Amino acid sequence: NAGVTQTPKFQVLKTGQSMTLQCAQDMNHNSMYWYRQDPGMGLRLIYYSASEGTTDKGEVPNGYNVSRLNKREFSLRLESAAPSQTSVYFCASTRRGEDTGELFFGEGSRLTVL
Amino acid sequence: GENVEQHPSTLSVQEGDSAVIKCTYSDSASNYFPWYKQELGKGPQLIIDIRSNVGEKKDQRIAVTLNKTAKHFSLHITETQPEDSAVYFCAASIKGSQGNLIFGKGTKLSVKP
Repeated sequence: NAGVTQTPKFQVLKTGQSMTLQCAQDMNHNSMYWYRQDPGMGLRLIYYSASEGTTDKGEVPNGYNVSRLNKREFSLRLESAAPSQTSVYFCASTRRGEDTGELFFGEGSRLTVL
Repeated sequence: GENVEQHPSTLSVQEGDSAVIKCTYSDSASNYFPWYKQELGKGPQLIIDIRSNVGEKKDQRIAVTLNKTAKHFSLHITETQPEDSAVYFCAASIKGSQGNLIFGKGTKLSVKP
């Protein structure tokens, strides 16, 4: 089992460019999440998908869009990248949809916006 | 909404000593409190969690305590080892919030041999 797989691991963009971060899990989990991690800020939730076919905003959704493509895959799109979106992005998944259980994280995608 | 405060932001201990990291939360409806360990270049990994119907939970050298009245919970690591060096995050979640966790800002623990 690979767990949670994120691509790409590293990306450099210019301001205004667009890109999509891909995430896939092979644990048959219902819920998937996108977090960003900035120095001294901890992990902040961008968007989540409690189950296939649903998506909702988290704490910091501005500038991002998501797609829950199927039960396995959850992508994060930056339509017009800004330097403030320079961060490490983590995808996570969990089995439960309504209550909280262990989150399984990917290894992260480091994005730099120049 | 929920707010989680974590202290200290950095902690340095000698190998074999104990380490304690403390978190407070604001929403009395929170009922799930996990702790995650993040090693350099990796994603966070769950090391222990506690639910609000329990006051303390242990797993070998790691323990978590919860004080619901005071709205704080703590991570205790005994007999620290160099491989315990990492960033530790506490988090809180409200029942029915679809699993959404609010994380503290993290504690960088350094264990000196």
